[in-house]
Amino acid sequence: AQKVTQAQTEISVVEKEDVTLDCVYETRDTTYYLFWYKQPPSGELVFLIRRNSFDEQNEISGRYSWNFQKSTSSFNFTITASQVVDSAVYFCALIGEFGNEKLTFGTGTRLTIIP
Amino acid sequence: DSGVTQTPKHLITATGQRVTLRCSPRSGDLSVYWYQQSLDQGLQFLIQYYNGEERAKGNILERFSAQQFPDLHSELNLSSLELGDSALYFCASSPSDLGRQPQHFGDGTRLSIL
Repeated sequence: AQKVTQAQTEISVVEKEDVTLDCVYETRDTTYYLFWYKQPPSGELVFLIRRNSFDEQNEISGRYSWNFQKSTSSFNFTITASQVVDSAVYFCALIGEFGNEKLTFGTGTRLTIIP
Repeated sequence: DSGVTQTPKHLITATGQRVTLRCSPRSGDLSVYWYQQSLDQGLQFLIQYYNGEERAKGNILERFSAQQFPDLHSELNLSSLELGDSALYFCASSPSDLGRQPQHFGDGTRLSIL
């Protein structure tokens, strides 16, 4: 069975601080894919990134960066120089390549950026 | 804008009633997924359709059903509604039935049962 754990329920930081959102996953699949989604206060779910299990290179997109470590089954998300617009709930999700095509979401981390 | 369209945005109804939620996938996407987001259950996968055929089933109640039409839009039917069915229902789409392709979500339909 697949499982995604986001232990941080809520995080608050002051604007311009860096913040890291943790994601730990469990799967028996050899090939799998990890995702991050953002849900702003308006409610929609926005796709941010996908990472496959064979690519452990870190990825950076502007102020966003992702650190995938297979050894610790973690896929953490860092926002650098946070802004108020980053306030949202962030979800980490996992899907296996074969046998289990259900996208499993973590419980989400509510991030509040204080101006 | 994800390109996935869900209607209506809000729905208020009473217990015991039946409602239909509609979803139009992104242009070219063949897979449609339905999810339920509630405070106590989080984001739960309900069901997937691929090119008109049911492909995967999740935690979908027997009172709920879905279908995907030849034009690829999908409808989620919820019947004998209970208070606990109040939730945000999302539709998502992807180009194929491959799990590795990101799912793009609509804005959701907020269902309130009174």
